[in-house]
Amino acid sequence: KAGVTQTPRYLIKTRGQQVTLSCSPISGHRSVSWYQQTPGQGLQFLFEYFSETQRNKGNFPGRFSGRQFSNSRSEMNVSTLELGDSALYLCASKGHPAQETQYFGPGTRLLVL
Amino acid sequence: ELKVEQNPLFLSMQEGKNYTIYCNYSTTSDRLYWYRQDPGKSLESLFVLLSNGAVKQEGRLMASLDTKARLSTLHITAAVHDLSATYFCAVDIKAAGNKLTFGGGTRVLVKP
Repeated sequence: KAGVTQTPRYLIKTRGQQVTLSCSPISGHRSVSWYQQTPGQGLQFLFEYFSETQRNKGNFPGRFSGRQFSNSRSEMNVSTLELGDSALYLCASKGHPAQETQYFGPGTRLLVL
Repeated sequence: ELKVEQNPLFLSMQEGKNYTIYCNYSTTSDRLYWYRQDPGKSLESLFVLLSNGAVKQEGRLMASLDTKARLSTLHITAAVHDLSATYFCAVDIKAAGNKLTFGGGTRVLVKP
């Protein structure tokens, strides 16, 4: 069974641009969560989607948005990029929100110059 | 607000010796997780602990949970170089929509 895949794996953008990151969950998984990892703030929750609905959102500004498609693939978008948005963005999937274990993808490393 | 603290932040280990990483959390949670992260890599799930007194073991790693003390420990037995990584604990609360709140991580370096 293929794991969680994320594209692109690496990305360089400049301040003010916007970026879209993609996550394909494990086949059959319908719950997708996004996390941001930085050296200063550690791992922080961004959003959780289940069946195309956002179930929960972390404490991030409105520049961070996401969505989930009918095939459970998810995208997150960051508009008006800031230097502080440089991070590793991790996506995780579960079969159902009530299940115990989330499986994390390899991440997208975003560098904002 | 749920807070999760790990200590130590850094652990230099000698091969063959035993060590413990501690994870404290501030409010009642439903599940306690341990993850491993190698440099530049994603998170690998190690254990999920669901109830008070739960103990799980895999190889040289053993995790336990004391929900009354809001404390989990990750015990490393006879450390080996392959265990060098950063270890994170995380908790979630079902009522909060299953978002994971992570500790700051413990960077482990096992020296020969």
